[in-house]
Amino acid sequence: QSLLTQPPSVSGAPGQRVTISCTGDSSNIGSGNVVNWYQQLPGEAPKLLIYANDNRPSGVPDRFSGSTSGTSASLAITGLQAEDEADYYCQSQEGSVTGHLYVFGPGTKVTVL
Amino acid sequence: EVQLVQSGGGLVRPGGSLRLSCQVSGFSVNNVWMSWVRQTPQKGLEWIGRIKSEYDGGATDFAAAVKGRFTISREDSNNTLYLQMNALKIEDTGVYYCATVTTGPSFDPWGQGTLVTVSS
Repeated sequence: QSLLTQPPSVSGAPGQRVTISCTGDSSNIGSGNVVNWYQQLPGEAPKLLIYANDNRPSGVPDRFSGSTSGTSASLAITGLQAEDEADYYCQSQEGSVTGHLYVFGPGTKVTVL
Repeated sequence: EVQLVQSGGGLVRPGGSLRLSCQVSGFSVNNVWMSWVRQTPQKGLEWIGRIKSEYDGGATDFAAAVKGRFTISREDSNNTLYLQMNALKIEDTGVYYCATVTTGPSFDPWGQGTLVTVSS
């Protein structure tokens, strides 16, 4: 069972805005640990999409944005495009009590209608 | 160009051993923190271990599920990271990725992944 929770799926029409939530607790996001987001296209390795809550690596379109508040984080995709259809994972750090230094959410499948 | 190319993997019996390799280009494997992450249908993405840079002491840390069975090492001469997996269990089956630990900390870039199947 993931220590971070995400909705299994979200969908939207091309051009729409969708958001993906990532809910943690006081041992991970709520402790001030940053949240990162990854995009995984079918058959490929995950790719860093957002790091340190709201920063985009070079080459990532500004249609993708991240935010955090309390024990939660969100990824927003504006102007949804067909190539955005993928699985999205949030990731943060965890207190050492659980034995996991880094934790991932279960992933959210984005479908472009 | 920074690239991580993985090799190894395959089918192994429960209780067996396997070594995965992750050859790095574009930077020195000794100079960065690196991690192994696996992906399984049951647990999704799961961090399993990391090695700190040589500058930071080179210590390794592991998730509870693999601690005592898996080890991480690196070889400077061929700029390669290794994951030695012993006493493999059926639940270790999955796709294994190497990744560089970078700003955040976050994982970037990732290797292409290699499939490990533990089955009798």
